[in-house]
Amino acid sequence: EPEVTQTPSHQVTQMGQEVILRCVPISNHLYFYWYRQILGQKVEFLVSFYNNEISEKSEIFDDQFSVERPDGSNFTLKIRSTKLEDSAMYFCASSESVDARDEQYFGPGTRLTVT
Amino acid sequence: GESVGLHLPTLSVQEGDNSIINCAYSNSASDYFIWYKQESGKGPQFIIDIRSNMDKRQGQRVTVLLNKTVKHLSLQIAATQPGDSAVYFCAETGMDTGRRALTFGSGTRLQVQP
Repeated sequence: EPEVTQTPSHQVTQMGQEVILRCVPISNHLYFYWYRQILGQKVEFLVSFYNNEISEKSEIFDDQFSVERPDGSNFTLKIRSTKLEDSAMYFCASSESVDARDEQYFGPGTRLTVT
Repeated sequence: GESVGLHLPTLSVQEGDNSIINCAYSNSASDYFIWYKQESGKGPQFIIDIRSNMDKRQGQRVTVLLNKTVKHLSLQIAATQPGDSAVYFCAETGMDTGRRALTFGSGTRLQVQP
């Protein structure tokens, strides 16, 4: 069964450093998402991406964040200058089409620890 | 994918019993609701969904009930098995507005005792 994959599984970085979290969505999917989950809290939406541009973004997704689809398979989330409060699990998801009812398939997540 | 928190509500049931997990939502404009299961070390996994023009939907061993009047959603799991042990989240979105961003609830941990 096709699945969303994410690398690395765990990333440790120092405050102020840039990090890039990588995702490979399911191959025929068109809509891509990033969510995050701070330990003990809800899963929170960050951004959605379709047709090579951002479709929706939350207040969390400020100028420190950016997304990119650098090639036909990868989808990345960049945090330019990490803060302690960016420590969280980051989940990538993808869905097949533009239909909002399409299931969002989640990857296993990347745990980001900012020290 | 650990979503454990000291304050996460926990439902403990015996294997074979039925489980009911509840969720309250706040956005009246939400018209599409989904239940996700999250096992330790994994991302959320889709279980079942329901549109706001329905009040009940059944899947295999799972039923979702929607009460729009009180903005309440529940997930019923029949004959709960040890493999059902996980954290369960409800999520909502506004399908008819074209919004796809999911708003998740705070989660309930289900523990199934063998």
